[in-house]
Amino acid sequence: DAGVIQSPRHEVTEMGQEVTLRCKPISGHDYLFWYRQTMMRGLELLIYFNNNVPIDDSGMPEDRFSAKMPNASFSTLKIQPSEPRDSAVYFCASSRLQGYGYTFGSGTRLTVV
Amino acid sequence: GIQVEQSPPDLILQEGANSTLRCNFSDSVNNLQWFHQNPWGQLINLFYIPSGTKQNGRLSATTVATERYSLLYISSSQTTDSGVYFCAVENYGQNFVFGPGTRLSVLP
Repeated sequence: DAGVIQSPRHEVTEMGQEVTLRCKPISGHDYLFWYRQTMMRGLELLIYFNNNVPIDDSGMPEDRFSAKMPNASFSTLKIQPSEPRDSAVYFCASSRLQGYGYTFGSGTRLTVV
Repeated sequence: GIQVEQSPPDLILQEGANSTLRCNFSDSVNNLQWFHQNPWGQLINLFYIPSGTKQNGRLSATTVATERYSLLYISSSQTTDSGVYFCAVENYGQNFVFGPGTRLSVLP
């Protein structure tokens, strides 16, 4: 298995632009999670899906952030418009059972200038 | 929400030494996991251990749920053990919460 695949690995964008981060979970994993990691706030859960349905999006910082999971093998996290304070590493993780056996992707390092 | 503390925040060891990392949490949990983030940023799941003791090679972990703490033991440390170790907990349907981490540096 190739693990959880995220793209791009690095993204540099200008303030105000739309940013889309992508994630392919491990096949057969019913749960998908999006996390953000910053020096100030550590690892924060943004949103998670079960069987492609968003279950808890209370960690999404504001309306500029949205996430979708159109099918079991693909999810996106979109920021529109992006701001410098969105700069962080965004991780996607998947698991077969809720909260058990997390597998993280390699992350996307986002820099908004 | 549940609070997670980890100690020490930083740890420097000579290769071959043993260490103990601690995770304290403020409420009962149904899920506790230890993760290692290597110097390249990759997060690896080490243990799922809401209670009891588990061992995997040079690493072992113990969670005493009634006293709200967990310990991660690293024996005969190697330079490849360097990185940040995170404890993460879930409190019965609440969000999975990560601790601030312990940054470990193992010197050759």
